[in-house]
Amino acid sequence: GESVGLHLPTLSVQEGDNSIINCAYSNSASDYFIWYKQESGKGPQFIIDIRSNMDKRQGQRVTVLLNKTVKHLSLQIAATQPGDSAVYFCAENEAGGTSYGKLTFGQGTILTVHP
Amino acid sequence: DAGVIQSPRHEVTEMGQEVTLRCKPISGHNSLFWYRQTMMRGLELLIYFNNNVPIDDSGMPEDRFSAKMPNASFSTLKIQPSEPRDSAVYFCASSSTHYRETQYFGPGTRLLVL
Repeated sequence: GESVGLHLPTLSVQEGDNSIINCAYSNSASDYFIWYKQESGKGPQFIIDIRSNMDKRQGQRVTVLLNKTVKHLSLQIAATQPGDSAVYFCAENEAGGTSYGKLTFGQGTILTVHP
Repeated sequence: DAGVIQSPRHEVTEMGQEVTLRCKPISGHNSLFWYRQTMMRGLELLIYFNNNVPIDDSGMPEDRFSAKMPNASFSTLKIQPSEPRDSAVYFCASSSTHYRETQYFGPGTRLLVL
């Protein structure tokens, strides 16, 4: 029979454009958020993280924005390059107890960059 | 610096056979996580250890799955007996005591059970 898998959101951009990947989270007790990039055949690679006492954090060509009011997280990639093509995952952690360190991952977004 | 090391990278086995996946965390990291990734279910946490002690194994699918961490530099995930539905990519990740949430992933083991 036909297999049913996750239908990941997709984002297609032109090389040089800025990309914005969005993520909604559900746990208002989450106090730590992290973005990973996963290329085909590889493990997730850490990109950037942010704690709930911040609403913005910048890295090299990447910015993460956190809106706790609406429980929304975004990853902005400036001047997107073909090498940025990958699946991007957001993840959250709820502070305290046995949940400390335990990440809950989103489904992921497929980013395709066209030269 | 060496990242998380996993072996084997690929494993093909027949249903009913025992499968053992291995992981060496980043040196100095005290927490170790085992994940499974499939197209159907995405990335799922199976079990995690802190200072070699299992903290949360609620994600382990059933008794056929077991994990051990005999020392700070080695962990195994064992499936016995294996079934075709166990086919997936299995990732190991590690993190440090002070930043336990910031996990660094290995390259994964791609398992195919025929």
